[in-house]
Amino acid sequence: GQQLNQSPQSMFIQEGEDVSMNCTSSSIFNTWLWYKQDPGEGPVLLIALYKAGELTSNGRLTAQFGITRKDSFLNISASIPSDVGIYFCAANTGTASKLTFGTGTRLQVTL
Amino acid sequence: DTGVSQNPRHKITKRGQNVTFRCDPISEHNRLYWYRQTLGQGPEFLTYFQNEAQLEKSRLLSDRFSAERPKGSFSTLEIQRTEQGDSAMYLCASSRSGLEKLFFGSGTQLSVL
Repeated sequence: GQQLNQSPQSMFIQEGEDVSMNCTSSSIFNTWLWYKQDPGEGPVLLIALYKAGELTSNGRLTAQFGITRKDSFLNISASIPSDVGIYFCAANTGTASKLTFGTGTRLQVTL
Repeated sequence: DTGVSQNPRHKITKRGQNVTFRCDPISEHNRLYWYRQTLGQGPEFLTYFQNEAQLEKSRLLSDRFSAERPKGSFSTLEIQRTEQGDSAMYLCASSRSGLEKLFFGSGTQLSVL
């Protein structure tokens, strides 16, 4: 099925660094969500975005709903070891609540 | 909210056997979703319910798969005559109508030998 394109695929960063990742699509979406998934667990919701241009923060995480409605960005400031995991963007058109997921960004944090 | 609960967490079965998974959504969430996730991929939509009505099914859901939500609360996903290609993490999620935030359970990891 259709998936959103996330980049980068993986990142290796040092503790304390800031992280940026993005998600793009050729389609327009009405809602963008960011999830984090640890091995063997289900995705955990981090941030939900509902309006084009919206910028929302959750602690050290900040996400933006792209103005074209075809992309979204997630930033993590001052990374810590527990930020390790796979980050997925997800989006839907708002008509059926069916989420389309991105391909994931694997984040590794070194001390 | 006690969160979305899925059972079992892990299931190992032989090819050709039938398996059934259960999902208990967050109480008062009227929408329930099933997704499948294979290694290195994002979750893929299988089907969703609003209350007891199954409103959409993906083409991924072959005729060997059936999902039910008989009383609009818990749901079951059954796979008949399992194949090795069915090996995956099966995720359940729930939400309230009008709110597009989905909350996921921990999943059931299926291994078909």
